[in-house]
Formats: sequence, C-alpha cells, structure tokens
Amino acid sequence: QVQLQESGPGLVKPSETLSLTCTVSGSSLNIYYWTWIRQTPQKGLEWIGYMYDTGTAGYNPSLKSRVTISIDTSKNQFSLELRSVTAADTALYYCVRGDDVGLSDWGQGTLVTVSS
Amino acid sequence: DIVMTQSPDSLPVSLGERATINCRSSQSLFHSSNNKNYLAWFQQKPGQPPKLLIYWASTRASGVPDRFSGSGSGTDFTLTISSLQAEDVAVYYCQQYSYTLYFGQGTKLEIK
Repeated sequence: QVQLQESGPGLVKPSETLSLTCTVSGSSLNIYYWTWIRQTPQKGLEWIGYMYDTGTAGYNPSLKSRVTISIDTSKNQFSLELRSVTAADTALYYCVRGDDVGLSDWGQGTLVTVSS
Repeated sequence: DIVMTQSPDSLPVSLGERATINCRSSQSLFHSSNNKNYLAWFQQKPGQPPKLLIYWASTRASGVPDRFSGSGSGTDFTLTISSLQAEDVAVYYCQQYSYTLYFGQGTKLEIK
C-alpha cells in the first residue's frame, strides 16, 4: 500500500520560493511518474508538473517558467519548487503517483498560504 | 492546451435515481496506438483528496462499486451513477492524461 506525505512550510512570503517535499513509502520511484497538483476554490484542480525517475518531465505551460520538480531516489522523495510566488499561488498542494491508468494514489495535501 | 469542460456544474438527483455527468475535451483523447481514451473520472468528498473512479474512459478502478460507469470516446465522455446513494454526494472531476494532465472544473452532485 503506497503512501505519500507532503511536507514543507505552510506560509511563504510573496516573491519568495515555495518548496515542498513528498515522501513516498510502500513504493519505489521507478516506473511511475510523480506529480504535483494544487487546488483552489477559484481554479479547482490544477496540474503543476510531473517527473519520472529517468528525469523525463512535463510541466503546465502556465507555470513552467517558475517550477522545478526533482526526484531523490536515495530518499524515496520528490520535491517541488515554485519561484516568485504571489497570493494566487495560495492553494492546497497534493503529491500524486501516476501510472499508465492515471493518477492513482494521492497524498492528503498540504495548505500553503502566500502572505507577508 | 487541452481544455476540459464538464456539464452541469451542479446536479441535484434524488436517491435511487440516475446521475449523468458530461465531459468534453477540446482535443481527441483517443490514442490509436493502443485504442485507448486517456480520460479519467475522480470523486472528491470534503476534506479528502480526489479518488480515482474510472480510467481509460470506462474501466472502474479497484473497489469502485459497479453503479459507477464511464462511457464515450474521442472528445465526449459521460460518467453515470445508475442509482444514487447518499455516500455518492461529492464533486466529480474528469481529467485527461494524454501527455498533459488537465482537469475539468468539477460537477457538484447533491441530493434533491
């Protein structure tokens, strides 16, 4: 049974970098793709990006210039960096495991607020 | 970008009645390489992450009751709940996973 757990600061100042980590248990990082998704009442579910352990990645074009996703197989973790944040980046952030049938396993989510 | 549009935004249905949610994609989600539509349906209840219900447009995920069914191909898809139960009250999302991962805006299913 795979488990994903998001961690990171719940409050980030405008213009700074939002950094989150997802710790994966019960699964290796091989084969699957590892995804970040966020949710707001205004925009609903918004895909941020994904990465395979091979380094192959895909990003939402609307966020691509500000996003980096990385994988650390030695720690069984993957991470999100979102630069130059504004209030519009305030959201519930989910880490998700994907496979060939889609986004099958989700973390519980972590709320990140952008405010000074 | 592929745009996913669901209808309706809100759906009141009586217990035991059929619920139908529609999803339209701005591009075909059908891959001729494997004859599959890259369309999934999710259920989200308050305070919980989305739960995968249907993948490949019509295949139920493990443990999903058979009152849930998905249909459609190409750009038009439907999620049907054959007999609404109280525990089915939730927001339902369609999502395409054809190289990108865009979601529809959600449909709030409620009891009439």
